[in-house]
Amino acid sequence: EPEVTQTPSHQVTQMGQEVILRCVPISNHLYFYWYRQILGQKVEFLVSFYNNEISEKSEIFDDQFSVERPDGSNFTLKIRSTKLEDSAMYFCASSEASSYGDEQYFGPGTRLTVT
Amino acid sequence: SQKIEQNSEALNIQEGKTATLTCNYTNYSPAYLQWYRQDPGRGPVFLLLIRENEKEKRKERLKVTFDTTLKQSLFHITASQPADSATYLCALGGNAGNMLTFGGGTRLMVKP
Repeated sequence: EPEVTQTPSHQVTQMGQEVILRCVPISNHLYFYWYRQILGQKVEFLVSFYNNEISEKSEIFDDQFSVERPDGSNFTLKIRSTKLEDSAMYFCASSEASSYGDEQYFGPGTRLTVT
Repeated sequence: SQKIEQNSEALNIQEGKTATLTCNYTNYSPAYLQWYRQDPGRGPVFLLLIRENEKEKRKERLKVTFDTTLKQSLFHITASQPADSATYLCALGGNAGNMLTFGGGTRLMVKP
C-alpha cells in the first residue's frame, strides 16, 4: 500500500540554525500538507500546497517557514532560523483532492529537537 | 474562537464492550468531520469521514454520528479489542480548503 515517507526521523539542531524537513507524498496525490504536534498537545495545521503554490496557511506559518516542491516527488518544509519553541513532531500529509474533504494520509513524522 | 473538545481523560473499557468517544465543537460550521487514530510516536491514521448532510456512517466495527445542531460527533467502536487501544482524534474541516483542525484526542485503553 502506498504511503507518505519522511526524512529524517529525528533532527537535532541548534537554535538559529536552518533545517529542512523532507517528505515524499503518495504519487498520485495533488494536495500536500504540513502539520506539527508539540509533545502532549494537539496536531496543528501549518500549511497546505496545491498546484505548486500555498493554498492555505495558519498563523504559525510565519516568515520563518517556507515550503517547496523541488521536483516531482519531494515536498519540503524549511525553517529558516529555528527557535526552541519549534521543537515538535512535524507531519507531512497528502490527499487525492478527488472530492471535498478527502482523507489525508500522514507520514510517520520528523521529530525536531532545537537545543 | 473555534474550539474542539474531546474528553482528555483516558477511557478504560473491557474487551468486547462498545467504546463511545465524544467530539464537541463551538464557533465552527464544518462541512465535514473526520476521525483519526494515533499511536504513540506515529502519525494520525484516517478512519472515517462524515459530511454535514450525513447523520451516520459505518465501517466494519466503527460508527460515527454527526449532529450539526448539537455541534457534536460520537465515535463508536463495537466489540472492542486490546488492539484498539490508541488515541482517537476528531478533526473538522471545510471552512478553509482542506485544512483540518484537530481536537486534543481521547486515549482509549481496552483491557483483556
